[in-house]
Amino acid sequence: DTGVSQDPRHKITKRGQNVTFRCDPISEHNRLYWYRQTLGQGPEFLTYFQNEAQLEKSRLLSDRFSAERPKGSFSTLEIQRTEQGDSAMYLCASTLGGPLHFGNGTRLTVT
Amino acid sequence: GESVGLHLPTLSVQEGDNSIINCAYSNSASDYFIWYKQESGKGPQFIIDIRSNMDKRQGQRVTVLLNKTVKHLSLQIAATQPGDSAVYFCAENWDRGSTLGRLYFGRGTQLTVWP
Repeated sequence: DTGVSQDPRHKITKRGQNVTFRCDPISEHNRLYWYRQTLGQGPEFLTYFQNEAQLEKSRLLSDRFSAERPKGSFSTLEIQRTEQGDSAMYLCASTLGGPLHFGNGTRLTVT
Repeated sequence: GESVGLHLPTLSVQEGDNSIINCAYSNSASDYFIWYKQESGKGPQFIIDIRSNMDKRQGQRVTVLLNKTVKHLSLQIAATQPGDSAVYFCAENWDRGSTLGRLYFGRGTQLTVWP
């Protein structure tokens, strides 16, 4: 069990640029979740996948956000035309059943 | 030491003391609850969970208590150690009958353990 892996760990971008993050879940975990965490707050649910199917999206996930899990393994989260309000930690989690296992996140800073 | 997670976001205890971190959850229909520990720069780490058909569950040095009447959850840490210093979050699952649904996290409590 190598844990949930996220890349990059940190990303600094200018407002208006597009960014993409990657998440590699724990092997064989069929469910994968994306959460966003701002400073001083708990994580907020964004979306989740069961295998390759995206089953639910939060209203926090505006049309500038898109997530994919094409082969039911790794997932990507893309943010288009980034805004300063997008600055946050983006967390990925996976599970086969039971508690979610989180990665260490990607810290996004939009300048 | 004792803290109400949503109103007193910090808790300081001496090494070796017991810690109690409290959490008020929002949805009376929630049937699954989890405590996570988050160290600086890291993702949340699972500590212990409990289903709504239980009032108490024990792990290694940790105990979770659930009071459904007042929608209250607490995490007790025995013999607190410096390595326990972190932010602690309670989370509730809104999708009844499953542990796989969305989790709603509380605000978190910063626990600081001093020697």
